[in-house]
Amino acid sequence: GENVEQHPSTLSVQEGDSAVIKCTYSDSASNYFPWYKQELGKRPQLIIDIRSNVGEKKDQRIAVTLNKTAKHFSLHITETQPEDSAVYFCAAARFSGGYNKLIFGAGTRLAVHP
Amino acid sequence: GAGVSQSPSNKVTEKGKDVELRCDPISGHTALYWYRQRLGQGLEFLIYFQGNSAPDKSGLPSDRFSAERTGESVSTLTIQRTQQEDSAVYLCASSRTSGGVPADTQYFGPGTRLTVL
Repeated sequence: GENVEQHPSTLSVQEGDSAVIKCTYSDSASNYFPWYKQELGKRPQLIIDIRSNVGEKKDQRIAVTLNKTAKHFSLHITETQPEDSAVYFCAAARFSGGYNKLIFGAGTRLAVHP
Repeated sequence: GAGVSQSPSNKVTEKGKDVELRCDPISGHTALYWYRQRLGQGLEFLIYFQGNSAPDKSGLPSDRFSAERTGESVSTLTIQRTQQEDSAVYLCASSRTSGGVPADTQYFGPGTRLTVL
């Protein structure tokens, strides 16, 4: 089955710097890659997702890139702010049987220091 | 409209007791998912419902775990004879899935924190 690895497990940056989180997946048939942000004690919230027919997607300070050949995708946060501090999870899925079965990475704890 | 809700928010139980966790999905969402999140770890898929049928139960860790769903609404996850290793946050998510169309975003509930003493 699908396996998703996420690096780094922790990331500390200064406010205004960029942050990059990388994930690799094993199932070449995966075609949907969401990223979720989870603040302490809160529910995971989708921040951006990408489907396999595009290589990059951007939403303000957040961008995701996908390399299907290498089976990896990355989250890029520019001009980080303290409120970006949270745990970020990547996930991979393929649409099969009428749904996307999300397989999550172990998470990256991002700390943005003022 | 209202998001996914779950109850209780916290549950403390003694080893060997049964527990029921409830999930109310977003109205109109046909797909419902249960996940488990152990402390400091990622989310583990448990079970998927399409309507009131469960085509994928592959993530349920043992036969002590079961789930059901009433139509396209409430779902209940039941853990029988709880063990200490069942302690975790149990998250529910729902999405608008239509046959033949890529599934939409999964929206998560706030979770139920289960502690087994």
